[in-house]
Amino acid sequence: SQKIEQNSEALNIQEGKTATLTCNYTNYSPAYLQWYRQDPGRGPVFLLLIRENEKEKRKERLKVTFDTTLKQSLFHITASQPADSATYLCALEDFGNEKLTFGTGTRLTIIP
Amino acid sequence: DTEVTQTPKHLVMGMTNKKSLKCEQHMGHRAMYWYKQKAKKPPELMFVYSYEKLSINESVPSRFSPECPNSSLLNLHLHALQPEDSALYLCASSQLQGGYGYTFGSGTRLTVV
Repeated sequence: SQKIEQNSEALNIQEGKTATLTCNYTNYSPAYLQWYRQDPGRGPVFLLLIRENEKEKRKERLKVTFDTTLKQSLFHITASQPADSATYLCALEDFGNEKLTFGTGTRLTIIP
Repeated sequence: DTEVTQTPKHLVMGMTNKKSLKCEQHMGHRAMYWYKQKAKKPPELMFVYSYEKLSINESVPSRFSPECPNSSLLNLHLHALQPEDSALYLCASSQLQGGYGYTFGSGTRLTVV
């Protein structure tokens, strides 16, 4: 069966350090992998998308890597700030499929 | 306009009620979605509309009835819901071609009593 797992349910990081979140998947051939931020009681907010033929994508303090051999994506937040505290969700979109499926999510807390 | 607007923000309904959730976007997106999210769980896809036609229905019970009157509007009609249907209902839209992020609304917090 298809699975998208984010290794840590919760992650605490000291302010200023780099937070690294992991997303692993099985039985998917994703065309695109996306990362979202979700604050309590709000909808997910799109952060970054990486294509299956790309290795790395950056946006300001965010970096995403995508390894289709390992079936894994890493999401990095550098110089983390308390305002980065939120739940982060990875999501996969298959080729030719209008369906975006979410991973289990990681609740990130940045400690001042 | 880069937003997806959902109304109402909160809804409490009895198990015999009929209600509707509404969603609107003016970004020219041709795909619209309904997701359901329970507490501490990821969003789960319910329905996908492409060009105003239902293209994916994730085996959702018939007490949930989606409707897409035009390319900017998406409704979710609710009838005879159960308490376990209480959740955050999220609407989203995207460009039909892949490779673009989805834009989500803030959701409707539904409580069934």
